[in-house]
Amino acid sequence: DAGVIQSPRHEVTEMGQEVTLRCKPISGHDYLFWYRQTMMRGLELLIYFNNNVPIDDSGMPEDRFSAKMPNASFSTLKIQPSEPRDSAVYFCASTSGRGHNTEAFFGQGTRLTVV
Amino acid sequence: KQEVTQIPAALSVPEGENLVLNCSFTDSAIYNLQWFRQDPGKGLTSLLLIQSSQREQTSGRLNASLDKSSGRSTLYIAASQPGDSATYLCAANSGGGADGLTFGKGTHLIIQP
Repeated sequence: DAGVIQSPRHEVTEMGQEVTLRCKPISGHDYLFWYRQTMMRGLELLIYFNNNVPIDDSGMPEDRFSAKMPNASFSTLKIQPSEPRDSAVYFCASTSGRGHNTEAFFGQGTRLTVV
Repeated sequence: KQEVTQIPAALSVPEGENLVLNCSFTDSAIYNLQWFRQDPGKGLTSLLLIQSSQREQTSGRLNASLDKSSGRSTLYIAASQPGDSATYLCAANSGGGADGLTFGKGTHLIIQP
């Protein structure tokens, strides 16, 4: 498997524009997570899905953020409208099942810059 | 709410030294603890996973220990090399993979040639 795949790797957009980040989890993994990394706050969980269903979105900062998982192999994180403070690296991760040996696998991230 | 702290925030040592990175967590009811490596501009690479019932895990020159009762984990790197330079992150899993990971802010490690 190619691992967790995210696109684009880099995104530069103007304030007010819509931004869509994409993620393809590892095949067979039933949990998908979206994280955001900033210098100030480190890595924070935004939302996660189980079997394509959103389970906990309490980490989503504002209503401008939304995430979907239309099928087991694809998820999107959308920001509309984008603001400069949304600039960060966004990571997607996936896991298989739940248990004490559950290991999380991360994508390479999308570096978002909002100017 | 789980909180994870890593000390030190940054560390610079000469090549060849053995070193220890520290991680503490506030809620001992964890399923496991993972150590990751992050290179500049890159994603996270999983290094070691210690299940809650385990005391330590080893991979090559890396050894991670876990003491749930005291809320601590350490990552030991033996015979450090310049290629070990990176940011090391620890993350506590409090929900068996279902609740996501709570990360520390990392230790930025520089190994001087």
